[in-house]
Amino acid sequence: GDSVTQMEGPVTLSEEAFLTINCTYTATGYPSLFWYVQYPGEGLQLLLKATKADDKGSNKGFEATYRKETTSFHLEKGSVQVSDSAVYFCALSETGTYKYIFGTGTRLKVLA
Amino acid sequence: DVKVTQSSRYLVKRTGEKVFLECVQDMDHENMFWYRQDPGLGLRLIYFSYDVKMKEKGDIPEGYSVSREKKERFSLILESASTNQTSMYLCASVHSKTGEAFFGQGTRLTVV
Repeated sequence: GDSVTQMEGPVTLSEEAFLTINCTYTATGYPSLFWYVQYPGEGLQLLLKATKADDKGSNKGFEATYRKETTSFHLEKGSVQVSDSAVYFCALSETGTYKYIFGTGTRLKVLA
Repeated sequence: DVKVTQSSRYLVKRTGEKVFLECVQDMDHENMFWYRQDPGLGLRLIYFSYDVKMKEKGDIPEGYSVSREKKERFSLILESASTNQTSMYLCASVHSKTGEAFFGQGTRLTVV
């Protein structure tokens, strides 16, 4: 079946450092890909998405590109802030089913 | 501001009790989902519904049931709570056109 694999955390960075969180997927069809973020004590909220190969999603300085050839959707940010500390989930959704498959989440801690 | 509201943030129940977790969305979405979130396992799908009075099993339905009598409300029922159902429960509704999922703030359930 479909699956999502993302790098284990926690990831600890200093403020203004470069962030990469790796995410790869396996899927039989043509899924949409998402990054969700969960701040402490809250539910998940959409960070960015891409619906087809070579699409780049971006929001709040975060970016990820849908790479079909490497089945990847890595999350990047050029300069992290303390307020970016959260858990990040990579996910896929098969078109038309609305069911999501999530990775296990990566906790990011940014130090001032 | 769109909203998915879960009735409780924290619940403590005894083993064997029947437990109801309520979720209400104000976005007129057809698609609603219940997940449980556990450390190291990410989010796992329990049940979902694409319409009123319709329900489908997700990946881990054992020990749970659901009810969808109205479009905006999707209830998760633990028929006889057990300690291995101690978890964070997240409700989501998904927009049919964009595929974006909107999550409630979560209910942290402890079964003692």
